[in-house]
Amino acid sequence: NAGVTQTPKFRILKIGQSMTLQCAQDMNHNYMYWYRQDPGMGLKLIYYSVGAGITDKGEVPNGYNVSRSTTEDFPLRLELAAPSQTSVYFCASSYISAGDTEAFFGQGTRLTVV
Amino acid sequence: AQKITQTQPGMFVQEKEAVTLDCTYDTSDPSYGLFWYKQPSSGEMIFLIYQGSYDQQNATEGRYSLNFQKARKSANLVISASQLGDSAMYFCAMTRGAGSYQLTFGKGTKLSVIP
Repeated sequence: NAGVTQTPKFRILKIGQSMTLQCAQDMNHNYMYWYRQDPGMGLKLIYYSVGAGITDKGEVPNGYNVSRSTTEDFPLRLELAAPSQTSVYFCASSYISAGDTEAFFGQGTRLTVV
Repeated sequence: AQKITQTQPGMFVQEKEAVTLDCTYDTSDPSYGLFWYKQPSSGEMIFLIYQGSYDQQNATEGRYSLNFQKARKSANLVISASQLGDSAMYFCAMTRGAGSYQLTFGKGTKLSVIP
């Protein structure tokens, strides 16, 4: 069972570079989420999607973009990376909304911007 | 706005003993959900237990139980018969209830189980 798969697991970016964090799930979940976890803190929601073609902002969306062209994939795009974006990024999915059921998380992508 | 407070940065427990991890929350929503997630050193987030604000009984899942005291706005996690594999970060989280999308997380408690 693959569940939620994130790539890459680690990445170092230089200030101003761009990159895409990949996320794929094989559970046919409609809902997908991107969170970031800063050191010593809980997770904060960046963007979420309730289905293919539908995305919306979470608590901390600035500096990020997302797209959802298929049910399976939910990539997160960082444009013009900044040191403040150094964090661990988690992708998650759920069958119904997060308020009603557990969310399944990927193993995270540790991003460092230098 | 919702807020989760976990006041114990770190906890130690002897193997086979029970341990309680504290969580208090603040919300003005009448309907909400409360969750506990475990994050081992490998990094992934693992769902443990869920409690809905209108649930009459405290949630239980195997060795995990959620001590829900609505009037006190607390949702403590109780782990019975601790095992070495329970050593991890534990996060309390909440949502605005059915249909909501955003989980609000606390800062976490690091549990260490001593042999």
